Amino acid sequence: GAGVSQSPRYKVAKRGQDVALRCDPISGHVSLFWYQQALGQGPEFLTYFQNEAQLDKSGLPSDRFFAERPEGSVSTLKIQRTQQEDSAVYLCASSRDLWTAEGHTDTQYFGPGTRLTVL
Amino acid sequence: AQRVTQPEKLLSVFKGAPVELKCNYSYSGSPELFWYVQYSRQRLQLLLRHISRESIKGFTADLNKGETSFHLKKPFAQEEDSAMYYCALIHGNDMRFGAGTRLTVKP
Repeated sequence: GAGVSQSPRYKVAKRGQDVALRCDPISGHVSLFWYQQALGQGPEFLTYFQNEAQLDKSGLPSDRFFAERPEGSVSTLKIQRTQQEDSAVYLCASSRDLWTAEGHTDTQYFGPGTRLTVL
Repeated sequence: AQRVTQPEKLLSVFKGAPVELKCNYSYSGSPELFWYVQYSRQRLQLLLRHISRESIKGFTADLNKGETSFHLKKPFAQEEDSAMYYCALIHGNDMRFGAGTRLTVKP
């Protein structure tokens, strides 16, 4: 079956523009995660969805970042008024099970990422 | 603050040599630890997790709570092991990755 897909794969934006990044998780996966990976760094957690509910958005760096998953499948990460420091690879991951109070131990399957460059 | 540290950004070994990728963490609790790998032009994927106590592609990792380490080891490196390796930690809602180590295995 198909894995996690993300689009676009590359996005160049002028500073101040709004962008929308799409993630198609594996069909039937309950959990969906967004990460930001700056050059030379590991992925940093942004937000987590359980079906359509956004249960954790503690990693979103500012109120310019907004994520949604309205029908519990496809998710969109929107960045408003992009800044140069937003340049990074944005990774989406999905997993079959829930993220419980004991922690999320189910395997996360990652997409290829969207490389965002803000000029 | 909770942190995952991979002290080596780059590691180069010859084929057949042992390899150890270091990971240290600072966390007051009982986290779950993982190693993820990203081969050239491929996506990030899970390599192994400490609770499974398994060996994947000849790699093993032992959680040392006393030293708060989770080093990844392989006795005989292969050229196809060349990749970026990330150590990751999950505890409750807290999920963190290290900055990664680029392993190059030379022929």
